[in-house]
Amino acid sequence: GESVGLHLPTLSVQEGDNSIINCAYSNSASDYFIWYKQESGKGPQFIIDIRSNMDKRQGQRVTVLLNKTVKHLSLQIAATQPGDSAVYFCAENNAGNMLTFGGGTRLMVKP
Amino acid sequence: SQTIHQWPATLVQPVGSPLSLECTVEGTSNPNLYWYRQAAGRGLQLLFYSVGIGQISSEVPQNLSASRPQDRQFILSSKKLLLSDSGFYLCAWRLKKYTFGSGTRLTVV
Repeated sequence: GESVGLHLPTLSVQEGDNSIINCAYSNSASDYFIWYKQESGKGPQFIIDIRSNMDKRQGQRVTVLLNKTVKHLSLQIAATQPGDSAVYFCAENNAGNMLTFGGGTRLMVKP
Repeated sequence: SQTIHQWPATLVQPVGSPLSLECTVEGTSNPNLYWYRQAAGRGLQLLFYSVGIGQISSEVPQNLSASRPQDRQFILSSKKLLLSDSGFYLCAWRLKKYTFGSGTRLTVV
């Protein structure tokens, strides 16, 4: 079926570097995408979202890029900090107003 | 303000025992409510969602059921737990954006 897939890696970055987490989705009808951050033992926290009529959206230290041509979504974190260490999930919102999540990427920030 | 409460935070239950996890939201009315499960080191799987009182949709066949007896209350239940029911259960609600509860870590032994 349609799904959002994250190739589940562990991304290790040096503190202060920029991080890029990628996500591929397959449902071309999805109109809304969200990035979540999940720390150990906690529920996912909303980071940033983007609608399909946009290709870029910026927040505080985070940027989401959407490439509808290749169905690719990315999350960029500037000046990565130890507190950014977590698992990051992308999710797509489909026509049924339900979220389908990717598998997650673990971000580890080295001091 | 709008908040979501989920309890208990952790639960250890023997195989074959019943389950009841509760989720309540405050500060909103008629939200869409969702139950997700997350296996260790994995993504989130949608189990049930509800668009109103008494309205439950199931996404995957399983040993679990859900009920929505009140507008802001969503309950996840099982009559007899299996080992495979272990996981991290998350309740979420949606008005404009999805908000997740803090989760329940269920271990079936």
